[in-house]
Amino acid sequence: GAVVSQHPSWVICKSGTSVKIECRSLDFQATTMFWYRQFPKQSLMLMATSNEGSKATYEQGVEKDKFLINHASLTLSTLTVTSAHPEDSSFYICSATDARRNSGNTIYFGEGSWLTVV
Amino acid sequence: GENVEQHPSTLSVQEGDSAVIKCTYSDSASNYFPWYKQELGKRPQLIIDIRSNVGEKKDQRIAVTLNKTAKHFSLHITETQPEDSAVYFCAAEVRFGAGTRLTVKP
Repeated sequence: GAVVSQHPSWVICKSGTSVKIECRSLDFQATTMFWYRQFPKQSLMLMATSNEGSKATYEQGVEKDKFLINHASLTLSTLTVTSAHPEDSSFYICSATDARRNSGNTIYFGEGSWLTVV
Repeated sequence: GENVEQHPSTLSVQEGDSAVIKCTYSDSASNYFPWYKQELGKRPQLIIDIRSNVGEKKDQRIAVTLNKTAKHFSLHITETQPEDSAVYFCAAEVRFGAGTRLTVKP
């Protein structure tokens, strides 16, 4: 099956700094990638959808200037949390689809990244 | 945008009984309905999915039904076992329901 790798798996940063999370598709070209945030005991909340080479589409209520998404290649998308605050502490997880596969809808998830802002 | 509702939020059953989790969605353009199982801090694990061209799909003890007209779909687990205890999420395309914590009592 398709493999999506996410890095780092956990990160601690100081309030006010920025942190970047990478999401890579290892054995397929990810035409579309998705970023989610999940607070403890809650569901995965879709933050944004990114297509390679174009600007990300953000969900309502998600600040695009705070959560910068770059999908510069077919195998890499990055999420940068800018000016992080303790309330940004969460589990961030990416996923990817490959529309060229027969099962074009199938979503492949990264391992997730725990962000703690102190 | 798509809105997915999932019920119940918690479900407790006796080992061997069946468990049913129900979801509704709002966007009639949705065509893909996966179900996931997730452990804390780990990626969601796909357990079964259904596409809009079928009404039912079964894989051993797990089955999913889809009613496109009514915009609802359900997960059915038969002969539940304690190891089925987990948090289950439905999704319509890429949007998730709120989740159901299933507990199977031995």
